[in-house]
Amino acid sequence: QKEVEQNSGPLSVPEGAIASLNCTYSDRGSQSFFWYRQYSGKSPELIMSIYSNGDKEDGRFTAQLNKASQYVSLLIRDSQPSDSATYLCAVKRNYKLTFGKGTLLTVNP
Amino acid sequence: ETGVTQSPTHLIKTRGQQVTLRCSSQSGHNTVSWYQQALGQGPQFIFQYYREEENGRGNFPPRFSGLQFPNYSSELNVNALELDDSALYLCASSPVLAENYNEQFFGPGTRLTVL
Repeated sequence: QKEVEQNSGPLSVPEGAIASLNCTYSDRGSQSFFWYRQYSGKSPELIMSIYSNGDKEDGRFTAQLNKASQYVSLLIRDSQPSDSATYLCAVKRNYKLTFGKGTLLTVNP
Repeated sequence: ETGVTQSPTHLIKTRGQQVTLRCSSQSGHNTVSWYQQALGQGPQFIFQYYREEENGRGNFPPRFSGLQFPNYSSELNVNALELDDSALYLCASSPVLAENYNEQFFGPGTRLTVL
C-alpha cells in the first residue's frame, strides 16, 4: 500500500463547477496535512494546511480531514481555468513530508 | 519578505560527475528540506537540515549529502551521478517555533539532466 494515494486523473470540470480532489494515507501517526498546487514546469505552491478533523475554508478552497478514515480532500468552488494544475496531497509526520503522485485538474472554459 | 531561492535553474551533467545545488531559505526560516521530483511523480524527501545538522533522511544513498550554513542557506551535493538522478530538485524552508511551523514553502527548483 502506498503511503499517500491520489487519483492521478485527469479530472476535468467545467468552469464554475466544484472540483473535488481526494487523498488517502496509510500512516495513522501522521500529524499535519497539506495541499499543494503545481503548474506545469513550476514548483509546488502551498494552498491549504489542515491539522484537525473537520473542514477548513480559505476563499474558494475547502480542505476536509477525517483521521479515522485516513482521508483528506480538497474542494475548489467556482473553478476557474487558472485552477488547471496538478494538485499534490502531502502528509507530515515529524520531519518528513510524504507526497502523493498528484491529481491533474483541468477546468474547461 | 524574500522567498526561497535556488541556483542554478538548470544543469546538465554526465554520468559519474558530481553536482552541487544551492538554496537560500525564506526570511525567518531556519529549517531546510530537499526533495527530488521525477517526471510525473510527487516530490520525494531526501533530507532536512536544522541548526546546521541533518535532522532526518529519506531513502536516498549516501552519495546524496548536504550542508546547512549559519545563515540557514543550504547545499545539496550528489556524487557519482546516475541517469536516474535526472529530476527537479526542490528546496523547501519552514519556520520553527511558530504556530505554522509545519508548513514548508518551496523554491523554484533546479532541473538536473544527467546524460
